[in-house]
Amino acid sequence: AQKITQTQPGMFVQEKEAVTLDCTYDTSDQSYGLFWYKQPSSGEMIFLIYQGSYDEQNATEGRYSLNFQKARKSANLVISASQLGDSAMYFCAMREGGWTGNQFYFGTGTSLTVIP
Amino acid sequence: DVKVTQSSRYLVKRTGEKVFLECVQDMDHENMFWYRQDPGLGLRLIYFSYDVKMKEKGDIPEGYSVSREKKERFSLILESASTNQTSMYLCASSSRDSVRPYEQYFGPGTRLTVT
Repeated sequence: AQKITQTQPGMFVQEKEAVTLDCTYDTSDQSYGLFWYKQPSSGEMIFLIYQGSYDEQNATEGRYSLNFQKARKSANLVISASQLGDSAMYFCAMREGGWTGNQFYFGTGTSLTVIP
Repeated sequence: DVKVTQSSRYLVKRTGEKVFLECVQDMDHENMFWYRQDPGLGLRLIYFSYDVKMKEKGDIPEGYSVSREKKERFSLILESASTNQTSMYLCASSSRDSVRPYEQYFGPGTRLTVT
């Protein structure tokens, strides 16, 4: 079974509108972390936001927020007020196993295009 | 700022060659990772190191080996390159002691083509 599932290969959003990128995960661990990364066409992976499994509040970082629904095992990324520079690939990721665990899983990514 | 550098952005090698991909981080991070990225497959972990001379296999270690002789440097080795190893290779590092210990910092990637 896939550890991280991103079902939207490509998304389009109008500039200044909000967009939600979907992510579901599969784990039996109680302690895990969820991440979103942005990869522009330059190739470098840029960390956006982190949510710990025990965090009760949804994580927010500027225009990014993570809609964490633990019972549904979903960790959707919400980008508010989209900008042209938000056009990129977005990857959802999960880490299991605690501090020294090497279990780090990425989804297949969603390509976001912001339309002027 | 954390800086992770990789020795080459683009590399072309022939089948059967031994290939070294080097990664250096300047933030004294304990953990270092090598991933490969392929379209439609996302990132897949090849190897992970949590300390000097320590390594653990990731999801797809076959055909690869790694070396970590110094804390700041993590090398990925393709003993005998094959065409199915044509891919983008990404190195990352993370600290066990940071406020966000799960956060990984990535290098710019090396696009390897094996002909």
